[in-house]
Amino acid sequence: DAGVIQSPRHEVTEMGQEVTLRCKPISGHDYLFWYRQTMMRGLELLIYFNNNVPIDDSGMPEDRFSAKMPNASFSTLKIQPSEPRDSAVYFCASRSGQGVGNQPQHFGDGTRLSIL
Amino acid sequence: DQQVKQNSPSLSVQEGRISILNCDYTNSMFDYFLWYKKYPAEGPTFLISISSIKDKNEDGRFTVFLNKSAKHLSLHIVPSQPGDSAVYFCAARTSGSRLTFGEGTQLTVNP
Repeated sequence: DAGVIQSPRHEVTEMGQEVTLRCKPISGHDYLFWYRQTMMRGLELLIYFNNNVPIDDSGMPEDRFSAKMPNASFSTLKIQPSEPRDSAVYFCASRSGQGVGNQPQHFGDGTRLSIL
Repeated sequence: DQQVKQNSPSLSVQEGRISILNCDYTNSMFDYFLWYKKYPAEGPTFLISISSIKDKNEDGRFTVFLNKSAKHLSLHIVPSQPGDSAVYFCAARTSGSRLTFGEGTQLTVNP
């Protein structure tokens, strides 16, 4: 089975440019999560969706960040304009809301973003 | 406010011995706890979980223990293998889907 797929794996761009990160969740999963990992703050949740609807965006750092989920198989995280402090590894994860009991989140391999 | 803490940034053990990774939390509303393993340049991979109504869950070489009164959980790996060398994250969840992660512990298993 295909796991969570993120693209690109690496992105290097200059300050002020728009950055778009992409995620394809595991088929059938109805929850999708965006995380950011930095040395200073560790792994922190930015936003999550349930059935394509944003549920909790309290972790989104500021208005420069936006996330969308136009359908069940695709989500984007956009940064505009980008700043050097946005440099981090961004992970997407998904999980199923079905079945009995708790279901773990499954992570993609991340996008390593460097803003120069 | 760090609600989930892994106080040991690193741990080194010999192959075949037991590895014990620890995690402390402060929020008594957490009801579900998970351990993830992460290799370099990969995403975290789910290992094992435990509900707050239990005190132990076992899966092969991996056992998670939960002490609610102490707000402490631990992951035991026995026997440890060199392939277990990775960063281990504990995570906790309140009702809903938000996970709070610890800082991670780098485990090195020496042959």
